[in-house]
Amino acid sequence: DGGITQSPKYLFRKEGQNVTLSCEQNLNHDAMYWYRQDPGQGLRLIYYSQIVNDFQKGDIAEGYSVSREKKESFPLTVTSAQKNPTAFYLCASSIRDNTEAFFGQGTRLTVV
Amino acid sequence: GNSVTQMEGPVTLSEEAFLTINCTYTATGYPSLFWYVQYPGEGLQLLLKATKADDKGSNKGFEATYRKETTSFHLEKGSVQVSDSAVYFCALSEAQAYGQNFVFGPGTRLSVLP
Repeated sequence: DGGITQSPKYLFRKEGQNVTLSCEQNLNHDAMYWYRQDPGQGLRLIYYSQIVNDFQKGDIAEGYSVSREKKESFPLTVTSAQKNPTAFYLCASSIRDNTEAFFGQGTRLTVV
Repeated sequence: GNSVTQMEGPVTLSEEAFLTINCTYTATGYPSLFWYVQYPGEGLQLLLKATKADDKGSNKGFEATYRKETTSFHLEKGSVQVSDSAVYFCALSEAQAYGQNFVFGPGTRLSVLP
């Protein structure tokens, strides 16, 4: 079945560590997105990519980095520069026209 | 810039009650409009969509009509169930010079009591 897979579902990080969240899709979508969701809040865009080897900062990119070496994969690294990384992270993808986004099941990151 | 506003929650209803969640938007062009639903600990699932004015999206008893004159896309359901308890997000997408721009509302939490 086609879809978006995020892993791991739960992730714990120590202060000062970098961690990488995985996002893989087999929908053949060009565009991929990373969002952050805090408790009781909406979604905030971190980074997005419309084609391989290209990506753009979203509204809250500071302390995060991404890569898009393959169409299917868009990993997000939460660096030690991110001051408050504890949140629920959602990856999404879409075709490059005016259509809906498809979401993964999310990764909950907790700093311990 | 584009924006989406939806009614503040939480909304608490009894089973079989009528549901309305208001959503209005601001956009520079002709966006597509969506309602997504999020169950606890999960990602967002598309509930319904409408791509042009006067279109009605519908799914699982939920409906919303794209009203360009009032820039609205209100979500309705005639008889809610306990299983409808979730957070509902209104969203728009609009093609930009560089790809596609999604904008989400803040979400409305719905609790349905038996």
